[in-house]
Amino acid sequence: DQQVKQNSPSLSVQEGRISILNCDYTNSMFDYFLWYKKYPAEGPTFLISISSIKDKNEDGRFTVFLNKSAKHLSLHIVPSQPGDSAVYFCAASPNSGNTPLVFGKGTRLSVIA
Amino acid sequence: NAGVTQTPKFRVLKTGQSMTLLCAQDMNHEYMYWYRQDPGMGLRLIHYSVGEGTTAKGEVPDGYNVSRLKKQNFLLGLESAAPSQTSVYFCASSYSGGPGYFGPGTRLTVL
Repeated sequence: DQQVKQNSPSLSVQEGRISILNCDYTNSMFDYFLWYKKYPAEGPTFLISISSIKDKNEDGRFTVFLNKSAKHLSLHIVPSQPGDSAVYFCAASPNSGNTPLVFGKGTRLSVIA
Repeated sequence: NAGVTQTPKFRVLKTGQSMTLLCAQDMNHEYMYWYRQDPGMGLRLIHYSVGEGTTAKGEVPDGYNVSRLKKQNFLLGLESAAPSQTSVYFCASSYSGGPGYFGPGTRLTVL
């Protein structure tokens, strides 16, 4: 039973436009959510996080939105750049991150110049 | 400051052979984790540790053992490798309640 779902395996976006990556979760105990970015042959790197007391967190071109009632979060990248092409993983944890993260299957983003 | 390092980077085993993967971190993190990544499966937790001398099972622990004798090291052992254990293995570490920092991965093939 998948607790964190990324239903789009892939996404293509033109350079300069907005990329929106979506993630749904089923466990209502999750209170800490993260996005990771992964390039081929490298380990995932932490991108941005949000706790359940917020509904939005921004860091430069990256914004994460959390809709607790819908158990849905999204990552917005504006503007998208070719270097953003990677696999993006959504992850969640109960207990403010003191319990290991549960990852989604990932979404491959391709930003086309 | 090397972050999280993994040894080896690549390995090919025959069915039934054993091996140990080493993870080391220099950030004084309490928490360490072993994940495996398979195509279309995302990252799945094998075992983790919340401090020196402690270990706990994750989502897919069968066929693996771990040890955390020193705070900076987390070892993952395969006693009798099987083709189903062909995967990319990632180690990660974190402060409690913080994001994980991942190593570069070990690509393991079991023939």
